[in-house]
Amino acid sequence: AQKVTQAQTEISVVEKEDVTLDCVYETRDTTYYLFWYKQPPSGELVFLIRRNSFDEQNEISGRYSWNFQKSTSSFNFTITASQVVDSAVYFCALSDYSGGGADGLTFGKGTHLIIQP
Amino acid sequence: DVKVTQSSRYLVKRTGEKVFLECVQDMDHENMFWYRQDPGLGLRLIYFSYDVKMKEKGDIPEGYSVSREKKERFSLILESASTNQTSMYLCASSLGQFRNTDTQYFGPGTRLTVL
Repeated sequence: AQKVTQAQTEISVVEKEDVTLDCVYETRDTTYYLFWYKQPPSGELVFLIRRNSFDEQNEISGRYSWNFQKSTSSFNFTITASQVVDSAVYFCALSDYSGGGADGLTFGKGTHLIIQP
Repeated sequence: DVKVTQSSRYLVKRTGEKVFLECVQDMDHENMFWYRQDPGLGLRLIYFSYDVKMKEKGDIPEGYSVSREKKERFSLILESASTNQTSMYLCASSLGQFRNTDTQYFGPGTRLTVL
């Protein structure tokens, strides 16, 4: 069965610090996709990244970077030089081809990131 | 730009009422989904649809039904609302080329309170 674990329920850092959000996943499939979403206080989930299981290259987008390691089943997200606008709940999610009757995403419980000015 | 809209941001209903939550997407996506989000439980899939008039149950379909009469619109129906259905409801859509793995784009959510 699929499972996504975000062990950090809440992280609080001071602005300009770097912060890493952890994501560990479980799947029996060799082909799967991993996602990160941001949910600001307004409530809408904003798509950040989609990565397939065959692409282990790290991804960088501005201050955001993602570290995908199949050996440890992790897909961690780092924000460099954090800003107050980064304050949100961040969700890691997984989808694969095993289906199991429900074809939606399997989400972690989310990490609430608080950036203090 | 991808656009998913939901009919209400906040809704207050009474126990036993029939409740309709509407979702519209303008990206010509094949797939549409309804999730509910609760503190400590995360997001859970209620129903999804891969085509007009087609629906499939997700992880927690009990107490809900759905309707998809047009490609762009997916409605979630609470036949007889109960207090345990107080939650945030999120609609999403995805392109449809690869059912399980396409990126899902979400609407702003409807926070439903059942009194």
